[in-house]
Amino acid sequence: DAMVIQNPRYQVTQFGKPVTLSCSQTLNHNVMYWYQQKSSQAPKLLFHYYDKDFNNEADTPDNFQSRRPNTSFCFLDIRSPGLGDAAMYLCATSREGPGEQYFGPGTRLTVT
Amino acid sequence: AQSVAQPEDQVNVAEGNPLTVKCTYSVSGNPYLFWYVQYPNRGLQFLLKYITGDNLVKGSYGFEAEFNKSQTSFHLKKPSALVSDSALYFCAVRDLRRSGSARQLTFGSGTQLTVLP
Repeated sequence: DAMVIQNPRYQVTQFGKPVTLSCSQTLNHNVMYWYQQKSSQAPKLLFHYYDKDFNNEADTPDNFQSRRPNTSFCFLDIRSPGLGDAAMYLCATSREGPGEQYFGPGTRLTVT
Repeated sequence: AQSVAQPEDQVNVAEGNPLTVKCTYSVSGNPYLFWYVQYPNRGLQFLLKYITGDNLVKGSYGFEAEFNKSQTSFHLKKPSALVSDSALYFCAVRDLRRSGSARQLTFGSGTQLTVLP
């Protein structure tokens, strides 16, 4: 089945230790998104790609970076995680246009 | 700026009874409206969308929603609730007349639905 895959599902990192979360898709969608979601709140868009065109949200901290080496893969890098970065991180994909987004299962990040 | 309101943080309903989860929106142009459901420790699952056409939209798992332009609402409904419908529900809107990041999904704050056996 076509899908959005996130690895790992659970990630524990230490305060200040860089961490990378990964997302892959088999849907061949040209748009990919990274969201941060804290404790049952609405997902907050961090950034998104139209193909290789990177779009950063104005309030996304510099601590968060992203890479998209090809259509299928997208990575979220947190350079120096703080306790406040503990959250669920959701990857999503869509076709360009008005259609729905397809979400991965998420990675729950814990910062110790 | 576009916005979505889900006025109820929590909705409780007995199994077998009809359920409604409310959503109102505000956009400057034509709205593209979506409902997503989220189970604990999972990603969001798409339920249904309104882009254009018939105001009554049918979606997955027996859910439907009615687009009401005059009331700027897009309430989610199901005729007979199941215990397994218990989850967090998000309404979202896009306005493709906007540019840049404003074209992206704006989510409501979510409504926790609990279906009691």
